[in-house]
Amino acid sequence: DAKTTQPNSMESNEEEPVHLPCNHSTISGTDYIHWYRQLPSQGPEYVIHGLTSNVNNRMASLAIAEDRKSSTLILHRATLRDAAVYYCTAKAGKLIFGQGTTLQVKP
Amino acid sequence: DTEVTQTPKHLVMGMTNKKSLKCEQHMGHRAMYWYKQKAKKPPELMFVYSYEKLSINESVPSRFSPECPNSSLLNLHLHALQPEDSALYLCASSQVQGLQSPLHFGNGTRLTVT
Repeated sequence: DAKTTQPNSMESNEEEPVHLPCNHSTISGTDYIHWYRQLPSQGPEYVIHGLTSNVNNRMASLAIAEDRKSSTLILHRATLRDAAVYYCTAKAGKLIFGQGTTLQVKP
Repeated sequence: DTEVTQTPKHLVMGMTNKKSLKCEQHMGHRAMYWYKQKAKKPPELMFVYSYEKLSINESVPSRFSPECPNSSLLNLHLHALQPEDSALYLCASSQVQGLQSPLHFGNGTRLTVT
């Protein structure tokens, strides 16, 4: 299973974009990159996933490096409700979570 | 609200008790998962069921016994637990146990072993 590395914590101001990085240098060619977030007292929530191309959905965008060894989750305009732990994972049959990034959003 | 329902929300049990955690989904998903999460740590995979058959057991102690009676239900039977087993137990499901299928999580059962 690919190991992922993320910064422990990041801060952002409300209504500004946030770029959350993830390194997954041991990823294999068939591993999908998944991002989840977990708000306090809730289970993880799916955010986005991709394989090679950049992906957009209503929650976020995912930019995947050409060599697939890193990716960035982009929240276009952070809100206070986006404060959570964000997990980057590489999925190949089973989802193994790394340590995650705790995002603080300041008003 | 999530589409994966876990009961009970909270459970306190003694080390000699037998209890069960329940998980239900009606999204037609054919893969279901149990994760364990300690405070301020990421979820750790315990078991995966695919089409009602146990697919992955991450070397979980036998005091945890999973069961998948049908495609909508997943149980975790608990017996002779230790205080260090106190944690949040999360259930998840996905369309299939495939590379693309996102997981849908419940909000967990918070278990305290006394």
